[in-house]
Amino acid sequence: NAGVTQTPKFQVLKTGQSMTLQCAQDMNHEYMSWYRQDPGMGLRLIHYSVGAGITDQGEVPNGYNVSRSTTEDFPLRLLSAAPSQTSVYFCAISTGDPSGANVLTFGAGSRLTVL
Amino acid sequence: GENVEQHPSTLSVQEGDSAVIKCTYSDSASNYFPWYKQELGKRPQLIIDIRSNVGEKKDQRIAVTLNKTAKHFSLHITETQPEDSAVYFCAVNDYKLSFGAGTTVTVRA
Repeated sequence: NAGVTQTPKFQVLKTGQSMTLQCAQDMNHEYMSWYRQDPGMGLRLIHYSVGAGITDQGEVPNGYNVSRSTTEDFPLRLLSAAPSQTSVYFCAISTGDPSGANVLTFGAGSRLTVL
Repeated sequence: GENVEQHPSTLSVQEGDSAVIKCTYSDSASNYFPWYKQELGKRPQLIIDIRSNVGEKKDQRIAVTLNKTAKHFSLHITETQPEDSAVYFCAVNDYKLSFGAGTTVTVRA
């Protein structure tokens, strides 16, 4: 799993503050995504990207912004943090195969607390 | 997006017994069905997957079965061991992965 690096591992914010979660990969994969994990709710897709310059919304995009200026980096921005955004965030790359299967490799996760 | 239901939410088994987790999905076009294991404080990791053209796949003590007609698939763990204690997630792929809510498996020694 050394190919996906997430920073920071832990962060505490106050309501209304903004911050960026960083995700970097060195495996030259086109597909990158961000998930949030909350107890009893599994992993929910926030945003994803199929290549540099292309991003799209997942199932829970509100309050988050992404960009993909390079293949390597896919940062997730919280514009005005809210307590409901307290969660563990995972970045994932897809070693997708020709059949279209999304074989995900996750980063180590970032635990965010919003007070 | 895809609606994935996973049952049970918690499962406690005696060491050496079998564990079965079932997931149902709604989109008949889905073609890829992976299972992820997440140990406490760690990232989810792929443990086994199955494609839509296969009914069953085994890898040592774990197996996955797929019933496309009924739109459900299951994870089977045989001869459970303490290191099998974790949260297991099923997922379904149409054009992106949608995850079930997870099953917390506890193996009692």
